[in-house]
Order: sequence, then C-alpha cells, then structure tokens
Amino acid sequence: KAGVTQTPRYLIKTRGQQVTLSCSPISGHRSVSWYQQTPGQGLQFLFEYFSETQRNKGNFPGRFSGRQFSNSRSEMNVSTLELGDSALYLCASSLGQGRDEQYFGPGTRLTVT
Amino acid sequence: AQSVTQPDIHITVSEGASLELRCNYSYGATPYLFWYVQSPGQGLQLLLKYFSGDTLVQGIKGFEAEFKRSQSSFNLRKPSVHWSDAAEYFCAVAPSYSGAGSYQLTFGKGTKLSVIP
Repeated sequence: KAGVTQTPRYLIKTRGQQVTLSCSPISGHRSVSWYQQTPGQGLQFLFEYFSETQRNKGNFPGRFSGRQFSNSRSEMNVSTLELGDSALYLCASSLGQGRDEQYFGPGTRLTVT
Repeated sequence: AQSVTQPDIHITVSEGASLELRCNYSYGATPYLFWYVQSPGQGLQLLLKYFSGDTLVQGIKGFEAEFKRSQSSFNLRKPSVHWSDAAEYFCAVAPSYSGAGSYQLTFGKGTKLSVIP
C-alpha cells in the first residue's frame, strides 16, 4: 500500500507570495490533517479535513487555508507569505473514525526569503 | 489547554545501553497518548499508542511505554539501544473525547537521541 505522499518536497518562495502544498493520503483514508513544524514552535496542528469538510482547526491566522477533494487529496494554501512561515509542513492521513492511526507523509520544506 | 513536556532536549547513550525518554502531559482527563519518531528529513512514524486498558504498551522496534496516571507521565523505554535508533522522538496527546472524529495531536518539543557506537 502506497504511503502518504506530499508534493513538492522542497519549495522556496519570496515574502508576500502565496504557496499551495499538496497531500495525497493512503488509499481509503478520508481524513487528512496538516501540521507545521518549526525549530522554535515545534509541531503545531493546522487543520483537519474529512470528506471534503474542515472538521478541526488549529490556532493559525486566516492566511492558512486548506481544502479536500472528493478523492480525499488535500491542498493547503498560505497567502501573503512571511519569513516566519518557513517550516516543514507535514500532512497525516487516517480513516478518520476515532481510534485509528495517523500516517504521516515526508513533508514539504518551505523556505521563505 | 493541554500541553506536553519532554524535559530532555538531547540524550546521548551508548549502543546496547537502556533508554528512557520522559514525557509528562497536562490535561483534564486521561488523553490518548502517542510516541512518534522522526529521522532527519523524514516524516513521523508512530512507535506506539495508548487509548485505554493495559498501562504498559508495546510498540514497534522493541520500544515500550508505561502510562502512569498519578504522575501524568507516558515514558518511552527500550532495553538495548541500536545505532539506528538515533533520531528525534516526540510524545503527543489527543483528547480522548474525539469519539468518532479524528484526533488533533498536541506534541511535545521532542528529544533528540544520539547513540555512541
């Protein structure tokens, strides 16, 4: 079974631009969660999508948004990039039915200059 | 708000030695508890999880963890460390009332493990 894939793996953007990251979950998984990992703040929950609906949201500004498609693939978008948005963005997929394991992808390393 | 504390930022052990990584959480009720490992440039891999029941949990790669409610702790242990265990380890919690929904993980800051050959 193929794991969670994230594209691109690396990205360099300029302050003020916007960026879209993609996550393809494991086949059959309907839940996709996004996390931001930085050296200073560690791993922080961004949001979770289940069956194309945002089900949970972390404490991030509105510049961070996401969506999920009917095939469960998810995208997250960050608008008006700031230097502090430089991070590893991880997505995790699961069946979304409670006590099931979240499987993480390798992440997208975003650098904002 | 729930929080997770991993008191040790960096631990160095010799190969073959035993290992214990500490994790304390702050939460109103017993949460779901997890340990993940992250190798450089990689995502997170789940080592083990506790939802309820037996407080000693066995995981992959020879790891185990013990949930102690009285101490709000969920320490990770391994009797004999291998050089390939060098990585960063994260403790995480999630609300146990997640019910039918997927849970939102709150992570500790991580403990980096170095292994001396």
